[in-house]
Amino acid sequence: DAGITQSPRYKITETGRQVTLMCHQTWSHSYMFWYRQDLGHGLRLIYYSAAADITDKGEVPDGYVVSRSKTENFPLTLESATRSQTSVYFCASSDLAVSYEQYFGPGTRLTVT
Amino acid sequence: AQSVTQLDSQVPVFEEAPVELRCNYSSSVSVYLFWYVQYPNQGLQLLLKYLSGSTLVKGINGFEAEFNKSQTSFHLRKPSVHISDTAEYFCAVDGGTSYGKLTFGQGTILTVHP
Repeated sequence: DAGITQSPRYKITETGRQVTLMCHQTWSHSYMFWYRQDLGHGLRLIYYSAAADITDKGEVPDGYVVSRSKTENFPLTLESATRSQTSVYFCASSDLAVSYEQYFGPGTRLTVT
Repeated sequence: AQSVTQLDSQVPVFEEAPVELRCNYSSSVSVYLFWYVQYPNQGLQLLLKYLSGSTLVKGINGFEAEFNKSQTSFHLRKPSVHISDTAEYFCAVDGGTSYGKLTFGQGTILTVHP
């Protein structure tokens, strides 16, 4: 299916565990983004990527790692999960040169116990 | 640095009434402005955007917004709401130099009552 997908949609993990959230887009968009959504904070940017092998920090990068070996994939890894990372995570992609619109995935609800 | 303030966390309104969701921003450079909508358990969807040109921007589902540079505002309006407009609405700004990095407001929950 065309579009942007995230997996898993729901995840429960324990404090200290490593967990990876997956993001896949089929549009070949250059730019991809990871946000977290918390009550009262709206969405905050964690990391973004301008192209394969080019990534940069956003507003709240601590405790997260990203990679982008292929244009269509942008996984987000929590190296050692903490309770403060319980959140809903959204991936987005964009072809800024065309429309400046970001297309969002359905989100992953992560609970760290 | 840029920031976005949505002045109302919740807005209740009756069906077919007009609505305005307020958004103020701060930025030291020229900005691009956006409104996104989030329906329950879904991702965000673009309603409208201001990049340049006319300060009155029309979007999907009958929504429009007006960019006011002197007031640093980008309020969202709809003349007559429907039950299906019940959702959370986010204002966002891209300060140009951030090149696609959006700063979001805290969100406004619009609830339309029959």
